[in-house]
Amino acid sequence: EDQVTQSPEALRLQEGESSSLNCSYTVSGLRGLFWYRQDPGKGPEFLFTLYSAGEEKEKERLKATLTKKESFLHITAPKPEDSATYLCAVQTGRRALTFGSGTRLQVQP
Amino acid sequence: DAGVIQSPRHEVTEMGQEVTLRCKPISGHNSLFWYRQTMMRGLELLIYFNNNVPIDDSGMPEDRFSAKMPNASFSTLKIQPSEPRDSAVYFCASSFRQGLAGGPGGQETQYFGPGTRLLVL
Repeated sequence: EDQVTQSPEALRLQEGESSSLNCSYTVSGLRGLFWYRQDPGKGPEFLFTLYSAGEEKEKERLKATLTKKESFLHITAPKPEDSATYLCAVQTGRRALTFGSGTRLQVQP
Repeated sequence: DAGVIQSPRHEVTEMGQEVTLRCKPISGHNSLFWYRQTMMRGLELLIYFNNNVPIDDSGMPEDRFSAKMPNASFSTLKIQPSEPRDSAVYFCASSFRQGLAGGPGGQETQYFGPGTRLLVL
């Protein structure tokens, strides 16, 4: 059974304080690893897809990396508007996404 | 692009009533997914369609739940009869599948709608 574990559950940062979120996974036949951002009362918003170990993608203050066992979402010099829940999901041959429980990020000014 | 459209955005109903949730996927997408999100279980797949055909309904909790996709631009998720434990946020997502079935392709990104917040009293 596919398993996705995210840590920490919650993270509080000061504005400008860089950090990383972790997503570890156990799957057979990874097709892709996805990062989504979810704001309260809204649907998940797509951020990145990573397909193979060693791959990296960047978008503004966010950078996602992938190894054979885990993915990291690095947040550099975060701002209050980066506050959200960040969800990691894996896609296998079954095609549907298996989500982790998310990391609730709060960035204080 | 309007994105994935869901209706209603909020639904409050009484136990035993029928509930119908609606979804319009992004134009041109050929796959549609229904997910449910709760505090206890997070986001879970209920069912997905490819080219309007149900492919995997293993996540549908029980016979009270049914889903249809009569055409490429519309899908419904019905709960009959509804129970308090069905209270959750229901998301619809759509994607465009690329690559050959079973091959190294088939990579795709799912785009989510705003969700329907359901409360069953």
